[in-house]
Amino acid sequence: GDSVTQTEGPVTVSESESLIINCTYSATSIAYPNLFWYVRYPGEGLQLLLKVITAGQKGSSRGFEATYNKETTSFHLQKASVQESDSAVYYCALGESNYNVLYFGSGTKLTVEP
Amino acid sequence: EAAVTQSPRNKVAVTGGKVTLSCNQTNNHNNMYWYRQDTGHGLRLIHYSYGAGSTEKGDIPDGYKASRPSQENFSLILELATPSQTSVYFCASGEPGLGEDTQYFGPGTRLLVL
Repeated sequence: GDSVTQTEGPVTVSESESLIINCTYSATSIAYPNLFWYVRYPGEGLQLLLKVITAGQKGSSRGFEATYNKETTSFHLQKASVQESDSAVYYCALGESNYNVLYFGSGTKLTVEP
Repeated sequence: EAAVTQSPRNKVAVTGGKVTLSCNQTNNHNNMYWYRQDTGHGLRLIHYSYGAGSTEKGDIPDGYKASRPSQENFSLILELATPSQTSVYFCASGEPGLGEDTQYFGPGTRLLVL
């Protein structure tokens, strides 16, 4: 089936350190999946952080980047220098252009210490 | 102004009782979704809807019913609540196709079944 596996949390890093949250996917029923990173800040609902719909392309938002790698079926989330305000739960997800559902990873809780 | 709202935000229910979770969206999206999110799991789809009057089973529909009386409203109903349904529930709306495939989430409802 279609599924997403991401770094198990919780992850704790210090402010200004670099971050990578791994995400790999399996898309057996979707020929050309779209890939997403959603984020849930404390007390809020999930919101889209970034998405990429074309293999080989990179998406970026709020200093975060992720590259759609079809060869390795990966979509890792990276940031060069994290801030306390980045503390949140991050979810990797896949869907298709005319999707009916999204498939989410289990979420990675990130805590950034001052 | 929040486009997807959920009520209640927190709920305590007794085993065997009936619980109704409500969701309202002002995005004018055709599709709406109900997920639950548990520690160690990604968001798992319970039911979704293509529009008023439509409900479809997601990945884990057992023990849940859904109702979509209008474009704006989508309810999740637990006729006989069980402790295993203790979770955080998220509603979302979306408009797949036409290049717009992002889902917009509500803030979540925390349900405790005693």
